[in-house]
Amino acid sequence: EAGVTQFPSHSVIEKGQTVTLRCDPISGHDNLYWYRRVMGKEIKFLLHFVKESKQDESGMPNNRFLAERTGGTYSTLKVQPAELEDSGVYFCASSHRGVNTEAFFGQGTRLTVV
Amino acid sequence: GENVEQHPSTLSVQEGDSAVIKCTYSDSASNYFPWYKQELGKRPQLIIDIRSNVGEKKDQRIAVTLNKTAKHFSLHITETQPEDSAVYFCAATPLTGGGNKLTFGTGTQLKVEL
Repeated sequence: EAGVTQFPSHSVIEKGQTVTLRCDPISGHDNLYWYRRVMGKEIKFLLHFVKESKQDESGMPNNRFLAERTGGTYSTLKVQPAELEDSGVYFCASSHRGVNTEAFFGQGTRLTVV
Repeated sequence: GENVEQHPSTLSVQEGDSAVIKCTYSDSASNYFPWYKQELGKRPQLIIDIRSNVGEKKDQRIAVTLNKTAKHFSLHITETQPEDSAVYFCAATPLTGGGNKLTFGTGTQLKVEL
């Protein structure tokens, strides 16, 4: 079974530019999550999709972040325009429907805004 | 919302010794407590989890204990080996209608020295 895959693995962009991160969850997983880890800190929740619907986006920092999951398959997270404080590792995770089922993580995208 | 604190931030042990990582949580509604291990350059992977209806769970050299009254849980690794070197994250989540919005601790960098 293929795991959660994320693209790109690394991205370096200038402040003010736009970056789009992609996540392909495990096939059949309805739940898809985005998390972010800023250097040395905790992994923080950003948002949660159930299929194509946003279930919880309480962790999204501001309106420069836009997440989509068209068709309930892969998801994208766009940052526009990027700011220095957006640097960090962005993780995607997926899980089956149900309460407290295991969340499988991707390897993350390391975003550096310079 | 939930708040998870994790200690220590770094831990160095000699091969063969035991390692203990402690976490506290704030939301008494949390009922699922997973532990993730992230090796350098790899994805976070679930190594063990515990639900609030049990006080302890073991899997070979790894064990987790939960004290619901005190709202803390701990990871115990016995007979540590070099391959145990990684960052360990604890997490907590309350019972919901579906999905795991995980609240993570800040991570513990474990180094097992030869």
